[in-house]
Amino acid sequence: AQSVTQLGSHVSVSEGALVLLRCNYSSSVPPYLFWYVQYPNQGLQLLLKYTSAATLVKGINGFEAEFKKSETSFHLTKPSAHMSDAAEYFCAVSPVVGANSKLTFGKGITLSVRP
Amino acid sequence: DTGVSQNPRHKITKRGQNVTFRCDPISEHNRLYWYRQTLGQGPEFLTYFQNEAQLEKSRLLSDRFSAERPKGSFSTLEIQRTEQGDSAMYLCASSFYEDEQYFGPGTRLTVT
Repeated sequence: AQSVTQLGSHVSVSEGALVLLRCNYSSSVPPYLFWYVQYPNQGLQLLLKYTSAATLVKGINGFEAEFKKSETSFHLTKPSAHMSDAAEYFCAVSPVVGANSKLTFGKGITLSVRP
Repeated sequence: DTGVSQNPRHKITKRGQNVTFRCDPISEHNRLYWYRQTLGQGPEFLTYFQNEAQLEKSRLLSDRFSAERPKGSFSTLEIQRTEQGDSAMYLCASSFYEDEQYFGPGTRLTVT
């Protein structure tokens, strides 16, 4: 079975500071990996995805993530935080093969940005 | 492309009542997924359809839950004899086969 671990439930950074949100996965084979963002009272929006092409993936809003097989990690980064980045972030995994591409999510991390 | 829509956005019901939620996917998407999200947790998979066929159900989906997608377009999720533990955000997503899943805004259910 696949799973995702997001350590910590809350990260706080100053505006302009580096954002680093950690995600580790467990899977018998390299899966597809995703980062989603959820703003209050809204659905999930895809930030970026890894589908076994380039290991460094660039997404929307200046976010990027690097797939590291040796560390089973897919950490999300942004060089300079903006106030509008405050939201909840979810890492997710899905099977590469098989008909059901259901997503398995981590518990999420709330990002706060201080002025 | 109007996105995935869900109705109602909020539902308050008394324990023991039945509720039904609706999801309208993006029109050309053949797959439709239901997830449940409780406070402080990530979404959990409930079930999915490819066209009108329900192909997988999670063990989270007890006998009180039933989902349909009668014509391969919109889907409904019904919960019978609601319990307080059913209080959650119910999310719908759609995709074209294994492509990116697009999520709706969710239906927040509160069981009193």
